[in-house]
Amino acid sequence: DADVTQTPRNRITKTGKRIMLECSQTKGHDRMYWYRQDPGLGLQLIYYSFDVKDINKGEISDGYSVSRQAQAKFSLSLESAIPNQTALYFCATSDYVGTVDTQYFGPGTRLTVL
Amino acid sequence: DAKTTQPPSMDCAEGRAANLPCNHSTISGNEYVYWYRQIHSQGPQYIIHGLKNNETNEMASLIITEDRKSSTLILPHATLRDTAVYYCIVRVAYNQGGKLIFGQGTELSVKP
Repeated sequence: DADVTQTPRNRITKTGKRIMLECSQTKGHDRMYWYRQDPGLGLQLIYYSFDVKDINKGEISDGYSVSRQAQAKFSLSLESAIPNQTALYFCATSDYVGTVDTQYFGPGTRLTVL
Repeated sequence: DAKTTQPPSMDCAEGRAANLPCNHSTISGNEYVYWYRQIHSQGPQYIIHGLKNNETNEMASLIITEDRKSSTLILPHATLRDTAVYYCIVRVAYNQGGKLIFGQGTELSVKP
């Protein structure tokens, strides 16, 4: 979805380096999410944010941190990258109409940690 | 969120309807059925959702059985670009955790 952009799209780094992945959205949604996907597996939630002042850990937050700089921007940081953080990372946003919450995903960042 | 069961793979001829089944026998009254798909290594794409009535949009139709224990996603005229993994997800509409639980899904191959 072109309304959700992620940078960079591909990144190769070394063990111990600090890495930041960025996500921007023009959909005007309050909620934003970071997921990771390992080959052949489903998505796992890392962090989510319901608004700028509300940030929550997901199921696999260890080794990651986030920053919600504005409604439209949500960054994911790996403080000290390790090889098992090699994965596809997806950002998502969601709105809710009435009581229904639907998520829209960015194109993904392929991260390789050597 | 209720557990879902989908066949691991299906084939469909180009131009024909693709019917993807999903079982969710433990679904609760306040849980919706969502369908997403993921084309190889791209971000998952929302397709459609429903509570109990059948739904249709520009991408697909969703048929939910009267007892809500199963549903079928219908792509009326499948194209090669519909080749993807399709995920059936059951969740409460306003999920406090926000999380979508993606199971193994159905890998749909549309063939010429």
